[in-house]
Amino acid sequence: SAVISQKPSRDICQRGTSLTIQCQVDSQVTMMFWYRQQPGQSLTLIATANQGSEATYESGFVIDKFPISRPNLTFSTLTVSNMSPEDSSIYLCSVERDRGSTEAFFGQGTRLTVV
Amino acid sequence: KQEVTQIPAALSVPEGENLVLNCSFTDSAIYNLQWFRQDPGKGLTSLLLIQSSQREQTSGRLNASLDKSSGRSTLYIAASQPGDSATYLCAVRPFGKGSNYKLTFGKGTLLTVNP
Repeated sequence: SAVISQKPSRDICQRGTSLTIQCQVDSQVTMMFWYRQQPGQSLTLIATANQGSEATYESGFVIDKFPISRPNLTFSTLTVSNMSPEDSSIYLCSVERDRGSTEAFFGQGTRLTVV
Repeated sequence: KQEVTQIPAALSVPEGENLVLNCSFTDSAIYNLQWFRQDPGKGLTSLLLIQSSQREQTSGRLNASLDKSSGRSTLYIAASQPGDSATYLCAVRPFGKGSNYKLTFGKGTLLTVNP
């Protein structure tokens, strides 16, 4: 398995501010993934973070709103910028491991409430 | 486009009951399928992974089956306990590598096991 530490675990933020979420993995990985889970919904992939290159964003997500850093092979951050109540969600960091098959592992999630 | 459906959306059972959660997917060309558990407001815990070539996987009281041709998977939980109360998500992975080949998640089944 993979040990993924994500912080903060939760936060309540004022609209118009920004929050940076950190994700630390216990060993080196090529790709790290950031997901959003809106209330009552399933997980939606925001972007894939590769070390040494720009993150790859999914349709509907833009770098200005969700800037991502990937300074090394064990760490990444996701910033939620200029927040509005619609950004209230659980944000999750994920990595994948190949042990005969590709398996996804997730951090503990960041529960964000924007007021 | 792959779509994953989980039925029922919610399930409430008395302690000790055996139960089955269902997951169906529209495109049978999958690489693997993964079952996760999610506690309220938290991240995902990987429970079982089934390769496309496999029919089932077991871990403790959990048994997951896969019928790729019919686009279905089931998660069987034996002798349910209150601690099993959580949302159970399934996700399918297509063949291929890279950010274009991402997991597709269902919305989950919220399980409540009553003492």
